[in-house]
Amino acid sequence: EVQLVESGGGLVQPGGSLRLSCAASGFTVSSNYMSWVRQAPGKGLEWVSVIYRGGSTYYADSVKGRFTISRDNSKNTVYLQMNSLRAEDTAVYYCARDLCSSTRCYPAFDHWGQGTLVTVSS
Amino acid sequence: EIVLTQSPATLSLSPGESATLSCRASQGVSSDLAWYQQKPGQAPRLLIYDASNRATGIPARFSGSGSGTDFTLTISSLEPEDFAVYYCQQRSNGRTFGPGTAVDIK
Repeated sequence: EVQLVESGGGLVQPGGSLRLSCAASGFTVSSNYMSWVRQAPGKGLEWVSVIYRGGSTYYADSVKGRFTISRDNSKNTVYLQMNSLRAEDTAVYYCARDLCSSTRCYPAFDHWGQGTLVTVSS
Repeated sequence: EIVLTQSPATLSLSPGESATLSCRASQGVSSDLAWYQQKPGQAPRLLIYDASNRATGIPARFSGSGSGTDFTLTISSLEPEDFAVYYCQQRSNGRTFGPGTAVDIK
């Protein structure tokens, strides 16, 4: 069974840092495309970052230069290092996996974690 | 940057009625479009991928259509559990989501 479990959220002051983790089971993260998606309180979904099978990474303009996505294949875990945090980064952060068949991956998230709340406030 | 626009923002319907949700892209995205359903306090659930393919376990009353810039999600006969927020999403410079359409009970 595919499972994604996020951790690492919490309260942090503006300008601070936090590292989120997404532990995967039931599949191999290095064989998939993995993303982080966030949702501010009462707002819509915002894609944050993706790491592809080959290791290429992409970021939303709103976090570029401040956030870094990475993975540890030995732990089957994806990370999101968040630096220079701002109040507007306050959100539930979800880890999500692209839908992949034997022949291709689709830009659609077929599995999501339960989310971890990040609150940036003094 | 490709922007997704969803309409209407809110759709008020009764159970048993049909729902038609629209998603428009500012530039062509081929068929690289997905639809999600989200209920309060839950993670989103994938409904449709590649514009018209139902994800595993999704009931047949959900259908997607369109390509290029105009896409539609249709729910043929609303069940009580279908009242939720629906998002479209495409791939461009990563991924982007539309602002969502809330389907609520009339």
